Amino acid sequence: SAVISQKPSRDICQRGTSLTIQCQVDSQVTMMFWYRQQPGQSLTLIATANQGSEATYESGFVIDKFPISRPNLTFSTLTVSNMSPEDSSIYLCSVVGRSTTRETQYFGPGTRLLVL
Amino acid sequence: GENVEQHPSTLSVQEGDSAVIKCTYSDSASNYFPWYKQELGKRPQLIIDIRSNVGEKKDQRIAVTLNKTAKHFSLHITETQPEDSAVYFCAASVNEKLTFGTGTRLTIIP
Repeated sequence: SAVISQKPSRDICQRGTSLTIQCQVDSQVTMMFWYRQQPGQSLTLIATANQGSEATYESGFVIDKFPISRPNLTFSTLTVSNMSPEDSSIYLCSVVGRSTTRETQYFGPGTRLLVL
Repeated sequence: GENVEQHPSTLSVQEGDSAVIKCTYSDSASNYFPWYKQELGKRPQLIIDIRSNVGEKKDQRIAVTLNKTAKHFSLHITETQPEDSAVYFCAASVNEKLTFGTGTRLTIIP
């Protein structure tokens, strides 16, 4: 399966600032997604990162707060804007690889964010 | 949208015994059901999955069953070992988007 990396692995940020998280895959993938996992909770889909076009956001998530880019088939970024303590979470990207069966998602290691 | 319920939220079993985790889903269009294992501080790891045209799938000590009529699916772990201790998440997929259950914290008692 694809090797997925995320940067940064963790960060501590001040409220009101923004953080951009990068997701890099070592091979071309068909689909990329961004999830949030709040402390002790399950995973919630934020959006589907579409290559070369605007991301598709799930209910409760908006582009102004979570702008996403996907310039090519191996890279995507998620920005958490104007952060508040409620944004403290783990942010994970996931991918569907070209060599895997459709829909099988594999996760990156996650970015652990703490907002003070 | 899809809603996935998962039970129990916590489960403790003696080493060597079996563990069963159950999930129900609401959207009859769901056609893919993966299970992920997440150890503390690590990423969710796919352990087994099943598609809607299959009723049961087994991989060594792990098996998953699917009842489409009742809209529920279950994870079965036999001969449990200490390394099976983790949080397990079920999920259901509609149009390639995953909706996750709330998770089950499984503890194996030596």
